[in-house]
Amino acid sequence: AQSVAQPEDQVNVAEGNPLTVKCTYSVSGNPYLFWYVQYPNRGLQFLLKYITGDNLVKGSYGFEAEFNKSQTSFHLKKPSALVSDSALYFCAVRDGGSSNTGKLIFGQGTTLQVKP
Amino acid sequence: EPEVTQTPSHQVTQMGQEVILRCVPISNHLYFYWYRQILGQKVEFLVSFYNNEISEKSEIFDDQFSVERPDGSNFTLKIRSTKLEDSAMYFCASSVARGFSYEQYFGPGTRLTVT
Repeated sequence: AQSVAQPEDQVNVAEGNPLTVKCTYSVSGNPYLFWYVQYPNRGLQFLLKYITGDNLVKGSYGFEAEFNKSQTSFHLKKPSALVSDSALYFCAVRDGGSSNTGKLIFGQGTTLQVKP
Repeated sequence: EPEVTQTPSHQVTQMGQEVILRCVPISNHLYFYWYRQILGQKVEFLVSFYNNEISEKSEIFDDQFSVERPDGSNFTLKIRSTKLEDSAMYFCASSVARGFSYEQYFGPGTRLTVT
């Protein structure tokens, strides 16, 4: 069955330090991976995606993510965190081996707290 | 930048009542989705909709749920007879196409509270 795991409920980092938010996935076919961010009282905002090609993908607001097929991971990273990055982050996957093409499977979310 | 909008932002209803949650997808998008998130749990897929019919639905989307695109802009989710366990945040999303590579754009959500 398709699944996404975000092993950390919360990640704390000091402003200016690098951050990593972890995500692992399980699918039967090729994975199509997405990161979304949710600020309070806002919808989920698309950050970046991995479809094919380079394992390091770059997205909005200086975020990037590294796809690792052998570890079935897609960790979100940023070289230097900002206080304004504090939010709830969701990893999601579409299963390329599935007959349906629309459904996103989400992880449970990770709260990122960046302290000044 | 175009956005998906949802109304109302918060709906309180009594058990057994019907509710309609409304969404206005991005104007050139063709595929529409509803997801929900029960407090403290994962965001879960409910249904996808294209060309005026349901493309896929989850096991959550039973006979109490229906979706409709009544005009060229609105996309609605109706819950016929609400239960306590329907209390959740409901998100509408849209995408320009359905292929694997296309991201979905989400609205801010409607918080449904069933009492």
